Amino acid sequence: AQRVTQPEKLLSVFKGAPVELKCNYSYSGSPELFWYVQYSRQRLQLLLRHISRESIKGFTADLNKGETSFHLKKPFAQEEDSAMYYCALRYSGNTGKLIFGQGTTLQVKP
Amino acid sequence: DGGITQSPKYLFRKEGQNVTLSCEQNLNHDAMYWYRQDPGQGLRLIYYSQIVNDFQKGDIAEGYSVSREKKESFPLTVTSAQKNPTAFYLCASVTGGSGYTFGSGTRLTVV
Repeated sequence: AQRVTQPEKLLSVFKGAPVELKCNYSYSGSPELFWYVQYSRQRLQLLLRHISRESIKGFTADLNKGETSFHLKKPFAQEEDSAMYYCALRYSGNTGKLIFGQGTTLQVKP
Repeated sequence: DGGITQSPKYLFRKEGQNVTLSCEQNLNHDAMYWYRQDPGQGLRLIYYSQIVNDFQKGDIAEGYSVSREKKESFPLTVTSAQKNPTAFYLCASVTGGSGYTFGSGTRLTVV
């Protein structure tokens, strides 16, 4: 069965420290993976998609098919990065459903 | 200004009552989705629709119903059969080649 796992409910780091939010998935086909972010009182919004291989707000994520992981990384955390982060997997085409992980709250302390 | 509008922002339901959450989009997106967001459980898929007049159950469809009579609209009804309806509900839409666009959500509370 398709599944997305984010093992950490809360990740707390100090400003300037490196950040890695973990995401593992299980899917038998060729997955399309995303990271979504939800800042306080704002809508859920797309942060990254593995297909585009771009860096947004200093975040990067690499799809590792061998380890079935799509961890989100940033070398130097900023206070404004504090938010809820969701990893998601899409299958069954461009309008296919998204399966979300449980979410990780990132707290960046000053 | 294109986007998804969910209404109301807050909704209170009495025991045994059905309530309907509205989701409207003017993005001309084909597919629309309803998710339920609970603390520690992420977003779980309730129902989705990829074309007008067709919809599919998601992972937690019991106690919910939907309709898709127009491309722009995908209302969700929370019926009295849903035993634990207190949650935050998110609507999303997508079309081929685009990312998903999410609404601002409706917080439903049973009183």
